[in-house]
Amino acid sequence: GIQVEQSPPDLILQEGANSTLRCNFSDSVNNLQWFHQNPWGQLINLFYIPSGTKQNGRLSATTVATERYSLLYISSSQTTDSGVYFCAVEQFYGGSQGNLIFGKGTKLSVKP
Amino acid sequence: DAGVTQSPTHLIKTRGQQVTLRCSPKSGHDTVSWYQQALGQGPQFIFQYYEEEERQRGNFPDRFSGHQFPNYSSELNVNALLLGDSALYLCASSLGPLGNTIYFGEGSWLTVV
Repeated sequence: GIQVEQSPPDLILQEGANSTLRCNFSDSVNNLQWFHQNPWGQLINLFYIPSGTKQNGRLSATTVATERYSLLYISSSQTTDSGVYFCAVEQFYGGSQGNLIFGKGTKLSVKP
Repeated sequence: DAGVTQSPTHLIKTRGQQVTLRCSPKSGHDTVSWYQQALGQGPQFIFQYYEEEERQRGNFPDRFSGHQFPNYSSELNVNALLLGDSALYLCASSLGPLGNTIYFGEGSWLTVV
């Protein structure tokens, strides 16, 4: 099945710093989403981005589908950005429809 | 606009018991999926319900079963609980089974002792 790899696994930043999180996937995908999991466990939807670039405030994401990777940019990080960031992909064929496959996540800690 | 709601938020069960978790999808959504997240891991797909039928299933034993009601809400049932079933169970909803943004609830923390 498709493999999803995220890097780095852990990231520690000072408040105000910028960061880039990477997601590589091993096959073509029809759906790619970025999530932020807060300390209470809820997965917050950040971007639905199977291709192209999107921005939402201090966050932006780019997916280059032909090269099978996606990047999540966090600018001017804040302590509330701490948590685990997941990339998840979905394929609409081969019995994988409806099945979001997650990477292992990047654990971000932003220090004041 | 109500998001995805799950109940209960926390529960403790004894090995061998059965548990039922409940989920109401986001308003306007008709598709519900369930995921299991063990500590330190990414969520893993259990199954998806659409039009009251199980459309897709992940690699989970038959002890895991579900149901979707006409109002699109859903239940996840786990029988003969094992210690390894201790995890965060996440419900997700979407409009249609393919190609739309998927939203997650806050999850149900299950501890099996």
